[in-house]
This record gives sequence, structure tokens and C-alpha cells, in this order.
Amino acid sequence: AQSVAQPEDQVNVAEGNPLTVKCTYSVSGNPYLFWYVQYPNRGLQFLLKYITGDNLVKGSYGFEAEFNKSQTSFHLKKPSALVSDSALYFCAVRDLNSGGYQKVTFGTGTKLQVIP
Amino acid sequence: GAVVSQHPSWVICKSGTSVKIECRSLDFQATTMFWYRQFPKQSLMLMATSNEGSKATYEQGVEKDKFLINHASLTLSTLTVTSAHPEDSSFYICSARLQGEGAGQPQHFGDGTRLSIL
Repeated sequence: AQSVAQPEDQVNVAEGNPLTVKCTYSVSGNPYLFWYVQYPNRGLQFLLKYITGDNLVKGSYGFEAEFNKSQTSFHLKKPSALVSDSALYFCAVRDLNSGGYQKVTFGTGTKLQVIP
Repeated sequence: GAVVSQHPSWVICKSGTSVKIECRSLDFQATTMFWYRQFPKQSLMLMATSNEGSKATYEQGVEKDKFLINHASLTLSTLTVTSAHPEDSSFYICSARLQGEGAGQPQHFGDGTRLSIL
């Protein structure tokens, strides 16, 4: 079975400061990992993904994430937070080795609040 | 590309009414669509997976007769909440998978439907 954990319900950061939103995962095989952002009353928008290759992946709006296999983590980062980054962020995982098209499992979400 | 349109955005109706939510892939063909329910301050709960031309696969605990899913074409899936009650009030989100798309590709989400049952 696959699972993903986002240990923080909310992260507060001052505008201009670096931000980190944490995510850890558990899969039996190799993971596909995704980050999505959700604004109020909207669906999820894709930010970035890790499939294979370079552990540091860059995505939309200046976000990046680092895949750490030994720590089974995929934390989302941004060097300088903007007020407009305030939203709900979801980490998601799919087990590569599960065969067929395995469903995606989403974390519980982390609310990011960027303070002006 | 890969735009998913969900309609309506908001719906308010009386208890006992049936409500239909549409999910359309506007610029691609979607062999598989997913229906999620999201409670306030909670994650997405997968309700069912619908495949074009076949019966939907429901997750454990989701009532098939309550949440009717139809995926009659490669661009349209519908979720009908039958005899809705206040406890069915929630935010419903659909997502679609492109035909032929691999497992490493992200899902494409609609903007959700806010359902309020009075």
C-alpha cells in the first residue's frame, strides 16, 4: 500500500523568506511524486513532479522540490515567498511498481500562509 | 492544453433533490475520469474511477446507488447525487487522464462543484 504524509496543517512564512512544505511517502516500489496547489473554491493545479533522474525538480511559479530516497521525503521549497503563494498544497504519490495504472494517493494538505 | 471543465460551480438545492455534475475534457480525450469529494480542511477522498463505456469502480464505503456515475463518451463523465441530503453537502472535484497517458503524468483537475443541500 502507498501513503503520503504532510505533517504540518499550516505553515506561516513572511513574504520574501524561503518556504518549505514537508512531505514524506511510503511505497513498496519506486514512487512517482507530485505537488499540487489549490486556491479557494478551485480544483488542483499541478506544480511539479519527480519520476526519475535529478533529485531536485523545478516546477511552476518558482517552486522546486527535492526527492530524498533515504528519508522518503519530497519537500516543496521556494527561495522567496510571495503573498500570492498563500494556498493549500497537496503532495501525492503513485507507486511505479504496482502494475497498471495505480491510483494516486494524496496527502492531507498543508495550508501556506504568506504574511506581508 | 488538457483543460477539464466542471459544471456547475455552485449548486444549492432542497433536500431530496437529485443533482447532476458534469465533467468535460475540452481539448483531449479522457479514457479515465476520477471523482473526488473534499471536506472542509481535509484532503481529497477518491469516490470512484470511471472508464469510458464501462461501469465505474467505486471506493469502499461509497454508495453506488447514491452517487451515480456515467462516462458515456471520451469527453464527458457525470456524477449524479440522488436524493441529496444535507450530509451530502461538500466540494466535489473531477479529474481526467488523457487517453494513452502514462502513470508518470499529472492528473488534470476541474475547478470543482460546491454542493449545498438545504
